[in-house]
Amino acid sequence: DGGITQSPKYLFRKEGQNVTLSCEQNLNHDAMYWYRQDPGQGLRLIYYSQIVNDFQKGDIAEGYSVSREKKESFPLTVTSAQKNPTAFYLCASSSGALVYTFGSGTRLTVV
Amino acid sequence: SQQGEEDPQALSIQEGENATMNCSYKTSINNLQWYRQNSGRGLVHLILIRSNEREKHSGRLRVTLDTSKKSSSLLITASRAADTASYFCATDAGNAGNMLTFGGGTRLMVKP
Repeated sequence: DGGITQSPKYLFRKEGQNVTLSCEQNLNHDAMYWYRQDPGQGLRLIYYSQIVNDFQKGDIAEGYSVSREKKESFPLTVTSAQKNPTAFYLCASSSGALVYTFGSGTRLTVV
Repeated sequence: SQQGEEDPQALSIQEGENATMNCSYKTSINNLQWYRQNSGRGLVHLILIRSNEREKHSGRLRVTLDTSKKSSSLLITASRAADTASYFCATDAGNAGNMLTFGGGTRLMVKP
């Protein structure tokens, strides 16, 4: 079955630690996106990538980094510079039709 | 940036009633989409309506679009407890990168 997989489902980060969230898709979609969602809130765009080896900052990129070395993969690193990283992180992908397919999310908690 | 704004932010109804959610946006769009999110899960695409369409149906869902008022509504008829979720509108404004911009969502609770 085609889809988009995020892992892990739950992630705990210690102060000052970098963590990487995985996002893999087998839909052959060119574009991939990372969103942050805080409780009871909407989605805020962190980074997006329209094509392999290229990505752009979204509205809240500070404290985050990404790479897009393969079409299927778009990992997100939450760095120690992100002072309030506790949130629900959603990855999505799309084709030219611009209908997004979302992963099931990673819940990141600072301990 | 958040283009779409849903109204109400929260809605509680009894099973069998209809639920109406509204979305307003600010700029011209190519299309508008509605997504559903169950608690703690990813979003699932429900329906897309193009800027030259005024109404669209999918099962118990009815979406309207009024481009002159820059607004859309999502109607869920004969609601079920399983419809309890958050509903988001998303607009494609044909901006750089051709990205969707999501609203803040309406949290719907359907009581059995």
